[in-house]
Amino acid sequence: EADIYQTPRYLVIGTGKKITLECSQTMGHDKMYWYQQDPGMELHLIHYSYGVNSTEKGDLSSESTVSRIRTEHFPLTLESARPSHTSQYLCASSEYSGAFGAFFGQGTRLTVV
Amino acid sequence: RKEVEQDPGPFNVPEGATVAFNCTYSNSASQSFFWYRQDCRKEPKLLMSVYSSGNEDGRFTAQLNRASQYISLLIRDSKLSDSATYLCVVNGGSNYKLTFGKGTLLTVNP
Repeated sequence: EADIYQTPRYLVIGTGKKITLECSQTMGHDKMYWYQQDPGMELHLIHYSYGVNSTEKGDLSSESTVSRIRTEHFPLTLESARPSHTSQYLCASSEYSGAFGAFFGQGTRLTVV
Repeated sequence: RKEVEQDPGPFNVPEGATVAFNCTYSNSASQSFFWYRQDCRKEPKLLMSVYSSGNEDGRFTAQLNRASQYISLLIRDSKLSDSATYLCVVNGGSNYKLTFGKGTLLTVNP
């Protein structure tokens, strides 16, 4: 089993609230990723990081922001949640070259009401 | 052309059938290749890496053709538990970017 953890697993929150989705890995991986996925739809990369103090935008524009202050931790923040942010958010990590693939956390299912 | 393209599916097959998934990629500098499996409302999980010489893991066989930029996954003697979405993943380029295909949904019927 991959050692990558996301909290919370499920979150229902009101419009306008600030939220932070947590992601931690204990594999010492340099690269970390955030994906957004709606039910039955494809994965969309929204953020990634090569290592500490590195953050990059992914292929899908997102109003969320990320930070990478520690190798093992890659939180995602939404300053003001909206119903359009309702989705599943999946965090993943890999070693730098990606030669062994990426390992995913169990995801956070976010519902904004 | 999309970076990674898969058969759109869905595939519906009876138990015991052999099913093949195909995938093409556009970046000739890609260096590593994978098949992932994603169950409904779960996270993707690495099924197997794909090597140039081809590789097998039980009922699963993966093939890579670098010249044609083509990857395949063959499932023999399919089981009900094989029902899932299968994702083709390609890694490479100057920033070692992992790119996921859209996935192909497989349903194995009794």
